[in-house]
Amino acid sequence: NAGVTQTPKFRVLKTGQSMTLLCAQDMNHEYMYWYRQDPGMGLRLIHYSVGEGTTAKGEVPDGYNVSRLKKQNFLLGLESAAPSQTSVYFCASGTHYGYTFGSGTRLTVV
Amino acid sequence: KNEVEQSPQNLTAQEGEFITINCSYSVGISALHWLQQHPGGGIVSLFMLSSGKKKHGRLIATINIQEKHSSLHITASHPRDSAVYICAVRANNNDMRFGAGTRLTVKP
Repeated sequence: NAGVTQTPKFRVLKTGQSMTLLCAQDMNHEYMYWYRQDPGMGLRLIHYSVGEGTTAKGEVPDGYNVSRLKKQNFLLGLESAAPSQTSVYFCASGTHYGYTFGSGTRLTVV
Repeated sequence: KNEVEQSPQNLTAQEGEFITINCSYSVGISALHWLQQHPGGGIVSLFMLSSGKKKHGRLIATINIQEKHSSLHITASHPRDSAVYICAVRANNNDMRFGAGTRLTVKP
């Protein structure tokens, strides 16, 4: 009963490096989301997906790319990390009836 | 002006008190969510509403679609209810917007 699993939980990157955050869900959910949470800003949607092979931009998509090649996985990529991308990243999956959140990834870009 | 406004930003209550957190939104929505985030950071989905009222234990959530307003009530509050409560709205295209959250502290 893993639910939504995010990897890694913590990461420190140097400016300009790239990385991929993985979100995996085992609940057969159609919808998956990536958010970032910053002090004083609340949660903001980066990208989302309403099904395998589909992605869409959220409120703050710049600097990020996503892919949903398999229904259970939603990947968030940073091609060239910037200090402004230092944040806590949350993934969620869900249906029309509710959502389950991952435990978060704390990313620091130095 | 944010698309989702919550009030109050901070709330301190004594154990046992009845608590209300309000959420107003300015966009068309297909559903509204109430989330709870504990000090450790984990986020739990409490309710998803598209109309009316839902109850789960001591928690009650209501929504008025015409007035674009929702409330989260906690009856007989307890220190373990201390958390940040977040209102989120899902637009018809599944995009989501969040309120800034209400930080609730319940004192014994």
